[in-house]
Amino acid sequence: AQSVTQLDSQVPVFEEAPVELRCNYSSSVSVYLFWYVQYPNQGLQLLLKYLSGSTLVKSINGFEAEFNKSQTSFHLRKPSVHISDTAEYFCAVSLIWYGSSNTGKLIFGQGTTLQVKP
Amino acid sequence: KAGVTQTPRYLIKTRGQQVTLSCSPISGHRSVSWYQQTPGQGLQFLFEYFSETQRNKGNFPGRFSGRQFSNSRSEMNVSTLELGDSALYLCASSLLGREEETQYFGPGTRLLVL
Repeated sequence: AQSVTQLDSQVPVFEEAPVELRCNYSSSVSVYLFWYVQYPNQGLQLLLKYLSGSTLVKSINGFEAEFNKSQTSFHLRKPSVHISDTAEYFCAVSLIWYGSSNTGKLIFGQGTTLQVKP
Repeated sequence: KAGVTQTPRYLIKTRGQQVTLSCSPISGHRSVSWYQQTPGQGLQFLFEYFSETQRNKGNFPGRFSGRQFSNSRSEMNVSTLELGDSALYLCASSLLGREEETQYFGPGTRLLVL
């Protein structure tokens, strides 16, 4: 069965420090990879995604993630966090399952709460 | 462009009742997916609708059902509510529901079952 594991449920960090949120997945088929962010009392917003090509993908607000096929990982990093980055972050995959319907389905990890302290 | 909207935002029901939640996708999006979010189980896929047809379904009992209308708006229904159905229900829309597409999420409906 396919699964996504986020290794840390909470990550406390001081403002302007670097952070890494870890994500590993398990799948018997190829996947597309996503990071979503959820602010309190809001839905999820896409942060970035990997479909193909360069294994390093970047968001407009300074986050980046690197796809590592051999380690089946897609860790999220930011070199310097801000208070406003405090939120819950979800790693997700969609299965590339040719010839079979896998439409509209994301498989999510349990989430990592990033707590940025002043 | 207006985002995904969900109504109502909050609901309180008692065990045994039924509930209907509504989702309006982004204009032009034809695929609507529903997810249940709980502290214990996290985010779990319920089902996906496209052109008024359910194309994909997660592992939830038959008490959970949905439908989609010709304008792509979608509703989900939970019958015979149980305490464990208390959750945040999120809907998400995308153009065609393809695996590589970004899903755009609504703010959710928070359901409390007493």
